[in-house]
Order: sequence, then C-alpha cells, then structure tokens
Amino acid sequence: NAGVTQTPKFRVLKTGQSMTLLCAQDMNHEYMYWYRQDPGMGLRLIHYSVGEGTTAKGEVPDGYNVSRLKKQNFLLGLESAAPSQTSVYFCASTPRTTGKGVRKNIQYFGAGTRLSVL
Amino acid sequence: AQKITQTQPGMFVQEKEAVTLDCTYDTSDPSYGLFWYKQPSSGEMIFLIYQGSYDQQNATEGRYSLNFQKARKSANLVISASQLGDSAMYFCAMREEYSSASKIIFGSGTRLSIRP
Repeated sequence: NAGVTQTPKFRVLKTGQSMTLLCAQDMNHEYMYWYRQDPGMGLRLIHYSVGEGTTAKGEVPDGYNVSRLKKQNFLLGLESAAPSQTSVYFCASTPRTTGKGVRKNIQYFGAGTRLSVL
Repeated sequence: AQKITQTQPGMFVQEKEAVTLDCTYDTSDPSYGLFWYKQPSSGEMIFLIYQGSYDQQNATEGRYSLNFQKARKSANLVISASQLGDSAMYFCAMREEYSSASKIIFGSGTRLSIRP
C-alpha cells in the first residue's frame, strides 16, 4: 500500500550541480504534480502532467524540467542548482475524473524531499 | 483569479479546547471544492476534509468540521476537543470545477500548537 513514493528524502547539492527527484505512484493515477514548499508560502506548483508523455508548466517552473515517460513515474530535474531552489519538494497524484467529480478529487502526496543547495 | 487566504500564521490552544482555523477564498467560478490538509512535523500532507460549493450541509469528519459560509467566501476548519497530536501546519486549498488537470491552489498555512 505504497501510494506516492518520493526519492531521495534528503539531498544536499552545491551550486551548479544537477540532480533528479523521482516520484512513483502505484494508484494508476493519470495526473501528477510537483510542488515546492517554502516557509510562509504554502505549496506552489512547479510542473504537472495529465498523462504519460505530457507535461505542462505550473506557477514556478523556471530552473526545473520534468519528464513522464511512464504513467507511474514523474521525474523532476534541476540542471544547475541554485541556492534559491533550497526547499521541500512534494509530489502528488490524482485520478482523472469528469463533470462534478472533478471538484472532489483528492490529491495524494508523497512524504517530500528536503533539498539544500549550498 | 482564484486565491486562498489564511490570516493566522500561528495559533496556540489549550488541550481539549475547540479551535477554529480561518480560511477565505476568492473565485468567480460558481462550482468549486474546498479542502483542508494537515502537515505534521514529519512533513507528509494528510487530507482531512472536503466541502463542495453546492453542498447543502457543512462537511464533518470525526473531530473535524468545516464551517462553510458561501456568501462570505469562508471555509473555516473547526477541530473539536483538540489533542496534542493536532499540533501541525494546516493548509486550506481550493479547486475550481473547470480547473485544468484538477489543479488546486493552497493557502500559506496556519501553524497550530496544542498546549498540554
């Protein structure tokens, strides 16, 4: 009963280094999301995906890239990390519904990845 | 544009007392859903309760209830008989019915601390 799994849980990078965060869900959800959480700012959407092979920009996409090669996996990449990207990153997923069901869709979250960029 | 406002950055409450966490929202869509999530110190986001804009009654889930005042555009979370384990960050969130890809937006959160 894994739900949404994020790896790694913690990471420290030096400025300019690259890394990939992995999100995996076993609930067969179509939609997946990457958020960042900064103190006092709630969760802000970085990128999202509505299905395998499709991605789109969210509210704060600059400095990040994503890929969804398999339905169950959503990868978030930092090509050249900057101190401003120090944050906690959350992945979430939700099933695709239509009509009134859309309102009630619950997003299920992973446990988060704490990233520090020095 | 849709927006969620949580005006209480932090609250302290005595154990066993009831507590109300404030949330106001702004949307021009007549059909939307409102959510509350809890984030304990361990970091995970836990779904607590949902309220639909057309629901006639306020939502309840155990000790959690949602005081939904549509005309005021408020969706306050009420926790009855608070417990030490209720200490956490609480986020209010909203989705408009026609939001693409079921996206939701979050408020900035309220940190609730329960005193023994």
